[in-house]
Order: sequence, then structure tokens, then C-alpha cells
Amino acid sequence: KAGVTQTPRYLIKTRGQQVTLSCSPISGHRSVSWYQQTPGQGLQFLFEYFSETQRNKGNFPGRFSGRQFSNSRSEMNVSTLELGDSALYLCATGAGGLGTDTQYFGPGTRLTVL
Amino acid sequence: AQSVTQLGSHVSVSEGALVLLRCNYSSSVPPYLFWYVQYPNQGLQLLLKYTSAATLVKGINGFEAEFKKSETSFHLTKPSAHMSDAAEYFCAVSVATSGTYKYIFGTGTRLKVLA
Repeated sequence: KAGVTQTPRYLIKTRGQQVTLSCSPISGHRSVSWYQQTPGQGLQFLFEYFSETQRNKGNFPGRFSGRQFSNSRSEMNVSTLELGDSALYLCATGAGGLGTDTQYFGPGTRLTVL
Repeated sequence: AQSVTQLGSHVSVSEGALVLLRCNYSSSVPPYLFWYVQYPNQGLQLLLKYTSAATLVKGINGFEAEFKKSETSFHLTKPSAHMSDAAEYFCAVSVATSGTYKYIFGTGTRLKVLA
């Protein structure tokens, strides 16, 4: 079974630009969650999508948005980039719905904002 | 509110020594608890999870963790450290919210294994 795929793996942007990250889940997984990982804050939950609907949202500004397509692939968008948005963005996928579900993580997209 | 606390952001052990990584949780209901490992430039990989069955949970790579309700702890152990265990380890709790569940992660413990 193919794992979780994230593209691109690395991105360099400048302040004020916008960026779109992509996550392709493991086949059959309908839940996709996004996390921001930084050395100072650790792993912060951004949002979760299930069957094309946002089911959960973390405490991030509206510049961070996402969506999920009918094939469960998900995209995350960050507009008006700030220096503090530099981070590793991880997506995790799962069958969705149970507290015992294992989340399977992709390798991440490392975003650098200059 | 549910939370996870990992004591010690950095832990060093000698190769062959016991590994002990600490995790305490706060939860008003029986929790689902997880340990993940992250190697450099990679995503997180599940080591083991507690789902209210056996309190001693065995995972991959020789790791195990014991759920202790009285101490609200879920510490990760391995009897003998190997160089390949050097990585960052995250404890997480799955919490019910708005009809579904989400993960809350601890801040991580970076394990260094000394030759």
C-alpha cells in the first residue's frame, strides 16, 4: 500500500505571497489532518477534513485554509505569508471517526518564508 | 481541557542502556494514548497505542509503554538502546470534540544515543 504523499517537499516563498500544499492519502483513508511543526511550538493542529467537509479546526488565523476533494486528496493554502509561517507542514490520514484510529503521516512540506 | 506533558525535551542514554521517556496526560475521560517517532526529515510513525485494552502495550522496535491511570502516565521504555533509536518521540492523546476526535501532541523528546 502506498503511503501518504505530500508535494512539494520543499518550498521557498517571500512575505506576502501565497502557497498551496498538497496531500494524497493512503487508499481508502477519508480523513486528512494538517499540522504545523516548528521547533518552538511543536506540532500544532490546523484542521481536519473528512468526506470533503472540514470537521475540526485549530486556532490558526483565516489565512490558513484547506479543502478536500472527492478522491480524499487535500490541499492547504496559506495566503499573505509571514516569516512566522516558516515550518514543516505535515498531513496525516486515517480511516476517520474513531478515537483509536492511527494517523499515518506524510514526510511533510518544509516551507521557508523569506 | 485535555493535554499531554512530556518531561525532558532532550534525553541522552548510552547504547545498551534503558530508555525511559516520560509522558503525562490530563483527561476527564479514559484517554486513547499514542507514541510516535520522527526521524530526521521524515513524518511521524506510530510506535504503539493504548486503547483501553491491556495496560502494558508493546510496540515496534522493542518499545513498550504502560498506562497507569493512578499516575495519569504513559511512559515509553525500551530495555536496551540502539544507535538507530536516536530520533524525536511524541506522546499524543486523542480527544473527542464536536462529534469526532482530534490529536493533541506533546512537545516531543529528542533522544540521543551515545556510543
